[in-house]
Amino acid sequence: EIVLTQSPGTLSLSPGERATLSCRASQSVSSSYLAWYQQKPGQAPRLLIYGASSRATGIPDRFSGSGSGTDFTLTISRLEPEDFAVYYCQQYGSSPVYTFGQGTKLEIK
Amino acid sequence: QVQLVQSGAEVKKPGSSVKVSCKASGGTFSSYTISWVRQAPGQGLEWMGRIIPILGIANYAQKFQGRVTITADKSTSTAYMELSSLRSEDTAVYYCARAENPTGDFDYWGQGTLVTVSS
Repeated sequence: EIVLTQSPGTLSLSPGERATLSCRASQSVSSSYLAWYQQKPGQAPRLLIYGASSRATGIPDRFSGSGSGTDFTLTISRLEPEDFAVYYCQQYGSSPVYTFGQGTKLEIK
Repeated sequence: QVQLVQSGAEVKKPGSSVKVSCKASGGTFSSYTISWVRQAPGQGLEWMGRIIPILGIANYAQKFQGRVTITADKSTSTAYMELSSLRSEDTAVYYCARAENPTGDFDYWGQGTLVTVSS
């Protein structure tokens, strides 16, 4: 089973700054099957990025995804106050099986 | 507008079972899969299994094999997740989530159902 490791565990930044979140897979993942989610307290996760780099419907263009193989990145170009949340990467593999990373908490500095 | 509406919070005794429902509206129920994902307090997301309603075929995460049953009723566009032999570690918010794309991403989620297991 593929393990996804996210780093850092917590990222402290200020509004207006750039955020770079990492997701590393224990073995190669097809880019088509890598997604990113945002979760705020008391809410269900929200799909941000699918296929490693495609923004989901209604997602602002300050969110972007990149990467391939075992290394994937979510970048938020200029942080808005509403962006402070927990972010998860997720991969979809054969069997079928879905795995999530452990999450990165993006907090206000 | 697609919506997934889940049943309400449950409190269960250890050793018992719980069955959570997820009613879909908007979209075509048979054109996507429904997964169940849980989140223990303060923890991350954990995939439990999924069902393909049009086929009635379910797949489960190895961790939950033998303890979870996922079903779907196409006539009411409702999916169900039943978890048996409950223990305190099963206390969590349980979400249903839809995957329409072959890429497997979850584009719509239910609001979550809190299941508390306590004696």
